[in-house]
Amino acid sequence: EAQVTQNPRYLITVTGKKLTVTCSQNMNHEYMSWYRQDPGLGLRQIYYSMNVEVTDKGDVPEGYKVSRKEKRNFPLILESPSPNQTSLYFCASSPMGVTTEAFFGQGTRLTVV
Amino acid sequence: TQLLEQSPQFLSIQEGENLTVYCNSSSVFSSLQWYRQEPGEGPVLLVTVVTGGEVKKLKRLTFQFGDARKDSSLHITAAQPGDTGLYLCAGFNQAGTALIFGKGTTLSVSS
Repeated sequence: EAQVTQNPRYLITVTGKKLTVTCSQNMNHEYMSWYRQDPGLGLRQIYYSMNVEVTDKGDVPEGYKVSRKEKRNFPLILESPSPNQTSLYFCASSPMGVTTEAFFGQGTRLTVV
Repeated sequence: TQLLEQSPQFLSIQEGENLTVYCNSSSVFSSLQWYRQEPGEGPVLLVTVVTGGEVKKLKRLTFQFGDARKDSSLHITAAQPGDTGLYLCAGFNQAGTALIFGKGTTLSVSS
């Protein structure tokens, strides 16, 4: 089954404790991206990757890092989480850039206390 | 900055009613997409409209792309409880590096 898998689905952590949210897709898509979804603000892009070893900032990259060492994986790293990073996070992938359907993971609900 | 404004933000209706959701921008988009998101899930693509003036139908859902490619609408005929969810319009930014999303319309259909 074609899918984007995120882990964990839910995470509660404390301020400053490094964490990684994993994202994996099995569709051989070149393009992958991370979004955060907040009430009243909608979905905003954090980082994206057009292909292996190619990553770039989206609209709200502060406090986040990503890597793309393999085509299928695109982890989101929070080196020192803060409460304002409490949000619902989505990973998405699509073939050949952004001009096609984006497939989303099920989301990761992160709470930073 | 390209923005997509959706209205209304919330819509609560009875089963069988018709409704329209609007997605507007001051910018021209090469295409617009509509996604539906259910609680606890990621958005799922419903349709992509590409040509100005285009109308696409998906069962009881009708999607229209404005002639100037700055706006789109989603019309649902005879809404059902299964239509409940968050409806998002999205378009690609000029650089082609990101999908820009509207803030969404939360639809609740009660029986």
